[in-house]
Amino acid sequence: SQELEQSPQSLIVQEGKNLTINCTSSKTLYGLYWYKQKYGEGLIFLMMLQKGGEEKSHEKITAKLDEKKQQSSLHITASQPSHAGIYLCGADIGYSNSGYALNFGKGTSLLVTP
Amino acid sequence: NAGVTQTPKFRVLKTGQSMTLLCAQDMNHEYMYWYRQDPGMGLRLIHYSVGEGTTAKGEVPDGYNVSRLKKQNFLLGLESAAPSQTSVYFCASSYSSYNEQFFGPGTRLTVL
Repeated sequence: SQELEQSPQSLIVQEGKNLTINCTSSKTLYGLYWYKQKYGEGLIFLMMLQKGGEEKSHEKITAKLDEKKQQSSLHITASQPSHAGIYLCGADIGYSNSGYALNFGKGTSLLVTP
Repeated sequence: NAGVTQTPKFRVLKTGQSMTLLCAQDMNHEYMYWYRQDPGMGLRLIHYSVGEGTTAKGEVPDGYNVSRLKKQNFLLGLESAAPSQTSVYFCASSYSSYNEQFFGPGTRLTVL
């Protein structure tokens, strides 16, 4: 099955600092999704990328998908305590034994300190 | 809109007991999914459905059964619970396979 590697596994940054989370696949991604999960809660959809070279931004969060569609990055500018949580990437790899559902990375845990 | 709701929120079972988790969505989505989330394993797909009356196996289907009798509901059943099924279960739905999935708040299940 498709494996998505996320790095780093965890991150502690000081408030106001920038940070980047990466998601890498060994296969071409037909769609790449970023979700945020607050501790003990469900997943909240952030952004979806489908085209090679695509970049999307929402507030202080920017996500990019590389030209080869095998790697995505999530960049947070001027981090705030509200950004804390677990960030997961999910990928649509087309038909597999699991059908068209998403495969997820294991997540990156982000803590923002004052 | 309530979005995706799950019941119950918490449950403790003894080994061998059975239970059903209910997922409901009010967005008229065709696709629905059940995932489990375990530390160090991430989210793994158990079963999914591409429409009313259809179900299919995901990555980790053993020990679970599902039913989609109504478009808005997707039920996950454990016939004989095992400690290995201790996990947080998430339901999700989407309009199609090319749209984002909306997740419920999760059900925390402990099997003793």
